[in-house]
Amino acid sequence: SAVISQKPSRDICQRGTSLTIQCQVDSQVTMMFWYRQQPGQSLTLIATANQGSEATYESGFVIDKFPISRPNLTFSTLTVSNMSPEDSSIYLCSVESAPGTEAFFGQGTRLTVV
Amino acid sequence: GQQLNQSPQSMFIQEGEDVSMNCTSSSIFNTWLWYKQEPGEGPVLLIALYKAGELTSNGRLTAQFGITRKDSFLNISASIPSDVGIYFCAAAYSGAGSYQLTFGKGTKLSVIP
Repeated sequence: SAVISQKPSRDICQRGTSLTIQCQVDSQVTMMFWYRQQPGQSLTLIATANQGSEATYESGFVIDKFPISRPNLTFSTLTVSNMSPEDSSIYLCSVESAPGTEAFFGQGTRLTVV
Repeated sequence: GQQLNQSPQSMFIQEGEDVSMNCTSSSIFNTWLWYKQEPGEGPVLLIALYKAGELTSNGRLTAQFGITRKDSFLNISASIPSDVGIYFCAAAYSGAGSYQLTFGKGTKLSVIP
């Protein structure tokens, strides 16, 4: 299994500002995924980040709001831009051990927007 | 889109009791996964299933991939207080180079000592 480190683990941010979340994996992986988990809810996929290409966003999520970088095979960032209280959620980074197999998650970033 | 119906939504059980939860869908999948999430943590993989009919155990946990490929269940035997958490099923159909996990809404388990 992959070891995934996310930073920060939590943050409280003012509305209108932006936060960049970092995800570091201990091994090279092709695909990395970013999820959002709203309070008391399940996980919703935001986007898939592939190294060397633009991220692929799911319906309801746009690049201007959630820009993603994937500079190499072990690292990715997700930025939550122009935040509002509705963005308060847990944001999770995930990787697959191999295409079509189990996914592993970081510990998440708990974001509160005030 | 694909949806997973996970039940029950929550459970309160006595320590030592067995627990059963399941996920169903109208769609076919070729991967079923079960995760546990504790407060302040990301989901932790418990069991992965890749074959219809497959029955897999991990300690006191047992999960099965339904024959129809549209459902899965997770059983926990002889529950203990540390089993408390939210359990999520997840499923994927990988084909033509695509792979996306769909998650159930979770089962919140409370264990009464």
